[in-house]
Amino acid sequence: NAGVTQTPKFRVLKTGQSMTLLCAQDMNHEYMYWYRQDPGMGLRLIHYSVGEGTTAKGEVPDGYNVSRLKKQNFLLGLESAAPSQTSVYFCASSYPPGQGREQYFGPGTRLTVT
Amino acid sequence: GDSVTQMEGPVTLSEEAFLTINCTYTATGYPSLFWYVQYPGEGLQLLLKATKADDKGSNKGFEATYRKETTSFHLEKGSVQVSDSAVYFCALIGGGTSYGKLTFGQGTILTVHP
Repeated sequence: NAGVTQTPKFRVLKTGQSMTLLCAQDMNHEYMYWYRQDPGMGLRLIHYSVGEGTTAKGEVPDGYNVSRLKKQNFLLGLESAAPSQTSVYFCASSYPPGQGREQYFGPGTRLTVT
Repeated sequence: GDSVTQMEGPVTLSEEAFLTINCTYTATGYPSLFWYVQYPGEGLQLLLKATKADDKGSNKGFEATYRKETTSFHLEKGSVQVSDSAVYFCALIGGGTSYGKLTFGQGTILTVHP
C-alpha cells in the first residue's frame, strides 16, 4: 500500500515550457486535490476532483489545468510555465468529506521555473 | 471566507521544554480542526484533529482542544524531543464546504536542540 505518490520529485523548467505532474493513490479515494505551498503562506488549493471524470477550480487555478481520467490518478498541467509558479506542489486524496475526514498527502514535487 | 492564523515563527526550544503553538480561526458553520506536521523533505501527515466544540485531539504526546468560544485550537506538548523538529500547520474544513477543502495557516517551524 503506497498511499499517495507523486512524480517527478524535482523539476526545473524554463519560462514558457510545459509539464505535467502525476499523482496516484491506491486507497480507492473518491476525492483528490492539488495544493501549492509557498513560504509563509501555508498550502493553497489549486484544483480538486470529486470523482473520476470531474474537476473543479480551487482558490488559485490560473495557469493550471487538471484531468481525472482514472479514479486513481489526478494530473496537474502547466501549459506555459511562469516564474510565479515556482513552488512545492502537493497532491492529496480522501474519502468523501465527513466530520473530520482526513486527507492523505503525497511527498510533494519541487518545481523551479527560471 | 474561512481563515486560519498561526503564531509567528520560527520557534526554537531545548529538548524537554514545553511547547505551545497558537492557532485561531474564522469559519462558517461548525468547522473540523486539524494539526498537520511536515518533517523535512516529506509531505504533510495528520497529527491530530477535533470535530466539535470542547473535543480534545491527541497523538504522540501532542494535544489541542477545540475552543469555540475563543475560536482557537492551540497545539501543546509537555516535553519536546529533537525528533519533533518540523513544520506544523493548523487547518480547518469549514462547515459550509461541500468538497472538503482544507484552509491552512501559514505554518510554524519548530526546531528542538539537544
